Amino acid sequence: SQTIHQWPATLVQPVGSPLSLECTVEGTSNPNLYWYRQAAGRGLQLLFYSVGIGQISSEVPQNLSASRPQDRQFILSSKKLLLSDSGFYLCAWSYTPLGNEQFFGPGTRLTVL
Amino acid sequence: QQQVKQSPQSLIVQKGGISIINCAYENTAFDYFPWYQQFPGKGPALLIAIRPDVSEKKEGRFTISFNKSAKQFSLHIMDSQPGDSATYFCAAPYGYDTDKLIFGTGTRLQVFP
Repeated sequence: SQTIHQWPATLVQPVGSPLSLECTVEGTSNPNLYWYRQAAGRGLQLLFYSVGIGQISSEVPQNLSASRPQDRQFILSSKKLLLSDSGFYLCAWSYTPLGNEQFFGPGTRLTVL
Repeated sequence: QQQVKQSPQSLIVQKGGISIINCAYENTAFDYFPWYQQFPGKGPALLIAIRPDVSEKKEGRFTISFNKSAKQFSLHIMDSQPGDSATYFCAAPYGYDTDKLIFGTGTRLQVFP
């Protein structure tokens, strides 16, 4: 069976500090990978999308970047965090031959102070 | 920008009652409409999805109804239970892209005993 991991689970960072959030998927090959941000009481905003190693699509102009160094690894980064980067960050995967379902990780709660 | 309009924003239902959440979508290349359930501090989990060669799909107490001509779909929770208290998100294909979803803004459901 497939599982998705995210770490850290929670993170408190000062404004201007760097960021690295990691997501890994087990039990599948060549998944589509996604980064979403969920602000408090809000919906899910798609940030980045990847169909393969080194292939990243950015959905929203912002202070963040994403990389996919390995097939099942997806990293969300920032060089300098802003207060507005606070939120709940969710990684998800899908596998087109299985259909369009997306499966989410447990999330990372980021607070920028 | 494409949207999925979800209502109501919050819903309070007594135990045993019916919870109804509605979503309206814009043009999509194909029909796939999932609902996700999210508990506080957790990632969303796929609850039920419909690929409307049918107008309704039922799984246990959860039913999706689909009206293609009106571009609307809804989630019905029969015999609502306190354990159903969560935030519910609808989603629709993101335009003509087969691998992305756009999410509604969520409905916070509270079921009281």
